[in-house]
Amino acid sequence: QKEVEQNSGPLSVPEGAIASLNCTYSDRGSQSFFWYRQYSGKSPELIMSIYSNGDKEDGRFTAQLNKASQYVSLLIRDSQPSDSATYLCAVNIRPADKLIFGTGTRLQVFP
Amino acid sequence: AAGVIQSPRHLIKEKRETATLKCYPIPRHDTVYWYQQGPGQDPQFLISFYEKMQSDKGSIPDRFSAQQFSDYHSELNMSSLELGDSALYFCASSLVGTSTDTQYFGPGTRLTVL
Repeated sequence: QKEVEQNSGPLSVPEGAIASLNCTYSDRGSQSFFWYRQYSGKSPELIMSIYSNGDKEDGRFTAQLNKASQYVSLLIRDSQPSDSATYLCAVNIRPADKLIFGTGTRLQVFP
Repeated sequence: AAGVIQSPRHLIKEKRETATLKCYPIPRHDTVYWYQQGPGQDPQFLISFYEKMQSDKGSIPDRFSAQQFSDYHSELNMSSLELGDSALYFCASSLVGTSTDTQYFGPGTRLTVL
């Protein structure tokens, strides 16, 4: 079992809809949680970081963390075709520790 | 804002050759990480350095070595290259001791081994 699990998708949503991306992790000692967006052949780009239980909003993006359930999610409101990419969930156990990535969820937003 | 710089962006090598990848972290960042991403795979951690000392080691082959220099830039040296080493190599940097430990990624080096 991978330490960080994501549904590989593709997740297809129409333009303007809400896209919901989910991630579970196995190590209860995990402290920091990140969502990166990666376009094909490009580097991971940080979308959101979250460290405590609850919701964190930044523009059209909302990250949700539930440590008891070992679950992290990312909601993208008003999805745009330019949001079409692979979304990587990443976790680390200690500050400045290596990131453990999920396999990524491919999101497709169609006009 | 300044980002992580990696060079070269593309590199083509023959089997059994050597390659050196360079990474220049965001100014004032003191920690550098190297990741390898094969086709269709998620990034895999190779090695990290904090204040010029190796801080963690992942699934890095013995044929690979790395170091961080006094100006905080880092180099990944790869010898006896194999076809399976063809991948995207990302460097990331962070600043330890701040309220966050966010890693920012460079544009990557695409290594092709023929």
